[in-house]
Amino acid sequence: QQQVKQSPQSLIVQKGGISIINCAYENTAFDYFPWYQQFPGKGPALLIAIRPDVSEKKEGRFTISFNKSAKQFSLHIMDSQPGDSATYFCAASGSGTYKYIFGTGTRLKVLA
Amino acid sequence: DTAVSQTPKYLVTQMGNDKSIKCEQNLGHDTMYWYKQDSKKFLKIMFSYNNKELIINETVPNRFSPKSPDKAHLNLHINSLELGDSAVYFCASSLGWETLGTEAFFGQGTRLTVV
Repeated sequence: QQQVKQSPQSLIVQKGGISIINCAYENTAFDYFPWYQQFPGKGPALLIAIRPDVSEKKEGRFTISFNKSAKQFSLHIMDSQPGDSATYFCAASGSGTYKYIFGTGTRLKVLA
Repeated sequence: DTAVSQTPKYLVTQMGNDKSIKCEQNLGHDTMYWYKQDSKKFLKIMFSYNNKELIINETVPNRFSPKSPDKAHLNLHINSLELGDSAVYFCASSLGWETLGTEAFFGQGTRLTVV
C-alpha cells in the first residue's frame, strides 16, 4: 500500500515533442504528490507538485494531471528540450507518513 | 549558501571499515531524512527525524546509526561496511509534518563505494 508505481522506465522524445510520465498509488492517505527532477551527479530537485483537491496544475511547460478516483497522476512536459534530459521521479506523501515515497524513476532523453 | 550540504561527496573505503557522512541544513526545517539511491536509481527512505527524534527506521540494518545533535544536523554512521552498501546516500530536509504538502530539499549526495 505504500508503493508508488511509475512508468515508463525510460523515454526518448524529439525536441519540441511532449513527454508523458505516469504514476499510480494505492494509499488514499497520501495528500501531496510532487515530481522531482534529477541530473547526473546531483540531488533530486522539486519540479512541480499537486494536492488532490485540484485535477491539474501547470507551471510553464510542466503540467501535472491528477485523477483522484483512479489514484493516478502524470507529468506532461510540453515542447521538450534537450536540457530536460534527466531522471524524473514521482513521489507521494501524507501527514501520517513522515516520508516521501518515490516512484522508480523515468530516464528521459530529449533528442536535439 | 547551500540549503542542504553533505560531506564528503565521494567516499571510497574497504569492506569492514566504519565511516560517517555528515549533513547540515540551513533552512530552519524540523524534519530531516536519509535516502539511499541504488545503482538502478531507486530512492528508498532509510531514516526520518523530526526535531531530533527518530520517527522512521525503515528496516535498515543496525550497522547504520543516524545521529541528530540538533535540528540542523543529521549524520549517518555506518559500521562494518559491506559491498552491498555501495550506493549514493542523500540527506534531505523539509518543514515539519504538521505543515501539509511541503517540499523536501535534497543534498548533493554522497557516493559511497565499498571495495
